[in-house]
Amino acid sequence: GENVEQHPSTLSVQEGDSAVIKCTYSDSASNYFPWYKQELGKGPQLIIDIRSNVGEKKDQRIAVTLNKTAKHFSLHITETQPEDSAVYFCAANNQAGTALIFGKGTTLSVSS
Amino acid sequence: DAGVTQSPTHLIKTRGQHVTLRCSPISGHKSVSWYQQVLGQGPQFIFQYYEKEERGRGNFPDRFSARQFPNYSSELNVNALLLGDSALYLCASSENTETEKLFFGSGTQLSVL
Repeated sequence: GENVEQHPSTLSVQEGDSAVIKCTYSDSASNYFPWYKQELGKGPQLIIDIRSNVGEKKDQRIAVTLNKTAKHFSLHITETQPEDSAVYFCAANNQAGTALIFGKGTTLSVSS
Repeated sequence: DAGVTQSPTHLIKTRGQHVTLRCSPISGHKSVSWYQQVLGQGPQFIFQYYEKEERGRGNFPDRFSARQFPNYSSELNVNALLLGDSALYLCASSENTETEKLFFGSGTQLSVL
């Protein structure tokens, strides 16, 4: 079935360092790949997304890259800050386009 | 503008009971989706509704049902609750049937004892 794998499950960095989270997806029909940030007690918040016709997208300190051939995509956060500490989820849309399939999440801890 | 609002925020039920969760989408959004998030996991798709019609359903038993009203708000119903139904139930809205730009509410934390 449709599946999204995400790693690492936990990531600890020092403030100012970069953080990279990687995901792979199984459904070749997937063409939309969002990233969500979830803080304690809150719902997931969309931080960046990319469509399959684009290889890379950047928004200030956050960037996402996509390799459709290898079916993997990555989130890059530069100059990390303590407020970046949260759980990050990658996702891919299903073949029908009706749902997002989520990875299991990465807990990012940024220490000052 | 208000984001996606869900009620109640927390709920405690016992096995076998029934529960109704409510969601109001962002103004102008016509699609509502429901997801279940078990502790330590990513959200799992339950339903998508658009213009009051069910457009998608995840791998959940028939005990789970939902509906969307003319004002685009939605209800998720779960019958015959099991301990395993304990989770955070998330509602998300989007402008259309596509899953792009899906915005989530803060969820309803359901505990089944």
